[in-house]
Amino acid sequence: GQQLNQSPQSMFIQEGEDVSMNCTSSSIFNTWLWYKQDPGEGPVLLIALYKAGELTSNGRLTAQFGITRKDSFLNISASIPSDVGIYFCAGHGGAQKLVFGQGTRLTINP
Amino acid sequence: NAGVTQTPKFQVLKTGQSMTLQCAQDMNHEYMSWYRQDPGMGLRLIHYSVGAGITDQGEVPNGYNVSRSTTEDFPLRLLSAAPSQTSVYFCASSYGPYDLNTGELFFGEGSRLTVL
Repeated sequence: GQQLNQSPQSMFIQEGEDVSMNCTSSSIFNTWLWYKQDPGEGPVLLIALYKAGELTSNGRLTAQFGITRKDSFLNISASIPSDVGIYFCAGHGGAQKLVFGQGTRLTINP
Repeated sequence: NAGVTQTPKFQVLKTGQSMTLQCAQDMNHEYMSWYRQDPGMGLRLIHYSVGAGITDQGEVPNGYNVSRSTTEDFPLRLLSAAPSQTSVYFCASSYGPYDLNTGELFFGEGSRLTVL
């Protein structure tokens, strides 16, 4: 089946630093999505991307839909303590289900 | 709206026992699904439903049963629990299958299951 490879698996950064993570796939996706999971909660949608090459921002978050449709990137600028959590990429290839990456666990030192 | 409600939040089972994880949503969503979350594995789809009376298998369906008798409820049944089913389980719903294109999948808070 379709698989997403997300990297890095974990990040330890200082407050105020910028963060970059990415997701790659062997399959083409029509939609790329980025979710965040706070500790003890379910994932919540951050950004959705619908077109190859699309660059979308949501506050300090910026995500891009790769031109090949097989990858996506998420950047967080000027990290703050509430950015801590697990970030998941997800892809929708046209079937009735989303495929999720393994997640990137973000830890921030104040 | 309460959104997606899962019960119980925590459960400990012995190998071989059966149990049902409950999921209810009050948003009149047609699409409902169950995922399990394991360290380093991300979220893997167990079963999903595109409407009442319709269910289908996801990526890891073995050992689990589902039914969808109403729009609101989508219970997940563990038939004979095994230690490999120790995980955090999430129920998620969406307005409709076509809305997966928009990414609008709403998750519950999760149910943490331990099988001894």
